[in-house]
Amino acid sequence: RKEVEQDPGPFNVPEGATVAFNCTYSNSASQSFFWYRQDCRKEPKLLMSVYSSGNEDGRFTAQLNRASQYISLLIRDSKLSDSATYLCVVNDYKLSFGAGTTVTVRA
Amino acid sequence: SQTIHQWPATLVQPVGSPLSLECTVEGTSNPNLYWYRQAAGRGLQLLFYSVGIGQISSEVPQNLSASRPQDRQFILSSKKLLLSDSGFYLCARSFAGSYEQYFGPGTRLTVT
Repeated sequence: RKEVEQDPGPFNVPEGATVAFNCTYSNSASQSFFWYRQDCRKEPKLLMSVYSSGNEDGRFTAQLNRASQYISLLIRDSKLSDSATYLCVVNDYKLSFGAGTTVTVRA
Repeated sequence: SQTIHQWPATLVQPVGSPLSLECTVEGTSNPNLYWYRQAAGRGLQLLFYSVGIGQISSEVPQNLSASRPQDRQFILSSKKLLLSDSGFYLCARSFAGSYEQYFGPGTRLTVT
């Protein structure tokens, strides 16, 4: 089983819609989690850190479910600029990266 | 500024040739530094990390090596490149005690 698994998508949504996707992790002892955003052929950029049950930053909400070992990211009121690949990252003494979920927001 | 510089930005090298990629960090002392590789359609793979000058930990045995000759300089090297070394190489930093990592712009390597 992979350490971090994500639905690769793509999730195609219209502007203004809400989109949510999950990430599952295998190590129940993992303590901290991150979502990164990666644009095509660019470096990943930290979007959000999650140290407890969840975190909210503007239109972005991350929720952690330790019992089921998954973390979700929800984007409200999607913008064209939200189109990117979202990487789920789990910290279990080192960072383990998922392969990413691609989101495309269309006009 | 907490800028991370990487060069070159792109590189095309033949199989069997040597490699040297450089990463330098501005504005911070004693950062933890990391080298990752991202193959097409795959997650980032941690190659090396360093908590200080001359201190290198290898995560994946392969034909690559890393060195940290100065506090803010991290170098990735190979004596002989393989086709499988192609990928997007990313340098990252974090502060001691923090797990948040910040990435440089990356080097896209194609081995032909």
